[in-house]
Amino acid sequence: GAVVSQHPSRVICKSGTSVKIECRSLDFQATTMFWYRQFPKQSLMLMATSNEGSKATYEQGVEKDKFLINHASLTLSTLTVTSAHPEDSSFYICSARGRTGGTKNIQYFGAGTRLSVL
Amino acid sequence: AQSVTQPDIHITVSEGASLELRCNYSYGATPYLFWYVQSPGQGLQLLLKYFSGDTLVQGIKGFEAEFKRSQSSFNLRKPSVHWSDAAEYFCAVGYNNNDMRFGAGTRLTVKP
Repeated sequence: GAVVSQHPSRVICKSGTSVKIECRSLDFQATTMFWYRQFPKQSLMLMATSNEGSKATYEQGVEKDKFLINHASLTLSTLTVTSAHPEDSSFYICSARGRTGGTKNIQYFGAGTRLSVL
Repeated sequence: AQSVTQPDIHITVSEGASLELRCNYSYGATPYLFWYVQSPGQGLQLLLKYFSGDTLVQGIKGFEAEFKRSQSSFNLRKPSVHWSDAAEYFCAVGYNNNDMRFGAGTRLTVKP
């Protein structure tokens, strides 16, 4: 099946620093990648959608200058949390969707990144 | 408005018992339907999906789901639950191949 790798799985940083999270599709070309945020015991909240080579589309209420998304290739998207603060601590999950075959119309998820900002 | 409802926040079943998790959606046409499972601290794993055709779909780990258009439902079932099935289950609905909405999730606890 389609595999999505997300790295790092856990990161602890100081307030004010920036953190980059990578999301890679390992065995398919991901024309679209999604970034979600999940609070404890809650569902996934879509933050932004990115298409390869295009600017990301952010959901209402998500600060695009704080959560920088880059989708430079068909297999890699990155989320950078800039000037992180304790309220940004959360579980971030990426997903990827391909354009052909078994990856079309289906989002495959990474394992998530637990961000803790001190 | 498009929405996905999982009425049960938490379900507890005994190991070996049958399981049914409910999911209802609101949409004008037939959407793409998915069930995902999430173990603690992990991402989501696709259990099964429905796009068209046979309304009873089989997935991994012995799960199945049935699409009922008249009830706008896509309930997940398993005839005999194993302790390793304890997790959070999310129903998701895809619209127009561009967007996906998740239900609030149902947490499954399995009693020995």
